[in-house]
Amino acid sequence: GAGVSQSPSNKVTEKGKDVELRCDPISGHTALYWYRQSLGQGLEFLIYFQGNSAPDKSGLPSDRFSAERTGGSVSTLTIQRTQQEDSAVYLCASSDGGFFVGGYTFGSGTRLTVV
Amino acid sequence: ELKVEQNPLFLSMQEGKNYTIYCNYSTTSDRLYWYRQDPGKSLESLFVLLSNGAVKQEGRLMASLDTKARLSTLHITAAVHDLSATYFCAVNLRMDSNYQLIWGAGTKLIIKP
Repeated sequence: GAGVSQSPSNKVTEKGKDVELRCDPISGHTALYWYRQSLGQGLEFLIYFQGNSAPDKSGLPSDRFSAERTGGSVSTLTIQRTQQEDSAVYLCASSDGGFFVGGYTFGSGTRLTVV
Repeated sequence: ELKVEQNPLFLSMQEGKNYTIYCNYSTTSDRLYWYRQDPGKSLESLFVLLSNGAVKQEGRLMASLDTKARLSTLHITAAVHDLSATYFCAVNLRMDSNYQLIWGAGTKLIIKP
């Protein structure tokens, strides 16, 4: 697609429920990144995909968080047994992963609220 | 480990004034990026700086890179309210054949009329 698409844009869930966040990167972008941003804070790195593999998943905060990418395209970030501290905006970005001059293109984010 | 530090983290200024945001990084890198984030919005790319001495300008914003000093600056000239946003710098880290950006904490800029 023309840009990075994230869905849903907003998600309100009850504590303890599982949620899935979706990211559809720019067509042809081989690298995909997930970040979390709490209100008024900077970017917290979660995980990075090159193709379908994740060379760096060091930022996942706990084993309740997992992510996958299929077909070198769409990625899903899953949070199990959500907690209130999981409330944040989850940002996805993609890049061409190769010569990488252009940097990242970000999606509009998913605002997750755990009540 | 590559670390990126921005300062100041918060800046409140009057319209018409000039100011500079600084971005220092700890190890050699060949590229530096500046992004802007408006409140409640995502990040959008402002500048890509690819070499020592690179200077890019867009309107009232000018970014420069000194790779020897490991320093980039984002200079704001005659600030206007519309420039109020959070500005992030990010430095390219290459690991094997993969690339990641390492991010500064962001500078929240408020420009008062």
